Amino acid sequence: DQQVKQNSPSLSVQEGRISILNCDYTNSMFDYFLWYKKYPAEGPTFLISISSIKDKNEDGRFTVFLNKSAKHLSLHIVPSQPGDSAVYFCAAAIDFGNEKLTFGTGTRLTIIP
Amino acid sequence: DAGVTQSPTHLIKTRGQQVTLRCSPKSGHDTVSWYQQALGQGPQFIFQYYEEEERQRGNFPDRFSGHQFPNYSSELNVNALLLGDSALYLCASSPSVTGLQETQYFGPGTRLLVL
Repeated sequence: DQQVKQNSPSLSVQEGRISILNCDYTNSMFDYFLWYKKYPAEGPTFLISISSIKDKNEDGRFTVFLNKSAKHLSLHIVPSQPGDSAVYFCAAAIDFGNEKLTFGTGTRLTIIP
Repeated sequence: DAGVTQSPTHLIKTRGQQVTLRCSPKSGHDTVSWYQQALGQGPQFIFQYYEEEERQRGNFPDRFSGHQFPNYSSELNVNALLLGDSALYLCASSPSVTGLQETQYFGPGTRLLVL
């Protein structure tokens, strides 16, 4: 039972353009959402998060949007840079501060120079 | 600061054997969580240790057990290995004082192959 889904296994984007990564969830108890970035041979690193009381959170080139009614969130990266090439995981938690995370399957983003 | 370290980096075992994986948390962190990441999947939460006790557990059988030591380091033990236990095992540490997921740091993982 995949409670957090990332339906695009891979995405290729031209350098300088916008990258949009999508994530859907089914568990309405999820209250806090995070995006992680993972390079090969490294552990996931935290990128950005959003609470269910917000619909948008921005941090530099990264913006996360949350549509609670659709149970959908997206990560926008603009402009995309070659160093953004990595696997991106969406994760959800039942409440803020609960470190038991449910991860999606990941999207491999490739930025084309 | 070395961050979260895990050992060994790679391991090959045969079905039925037992394995122990080790994790040293980032300096200043006292909470350790373990995740299993199968090929093509996202990490799945196994359990979390705080104050040397299991605080939360995911949907994993009792074959998966753990331990936390007074210095906050942790071990993950898996008994009676199955082929399906082949995966990357990630350790994550965090400071209990903040209670924020953003302060959870992941190690590079131990890749276990069961033959």
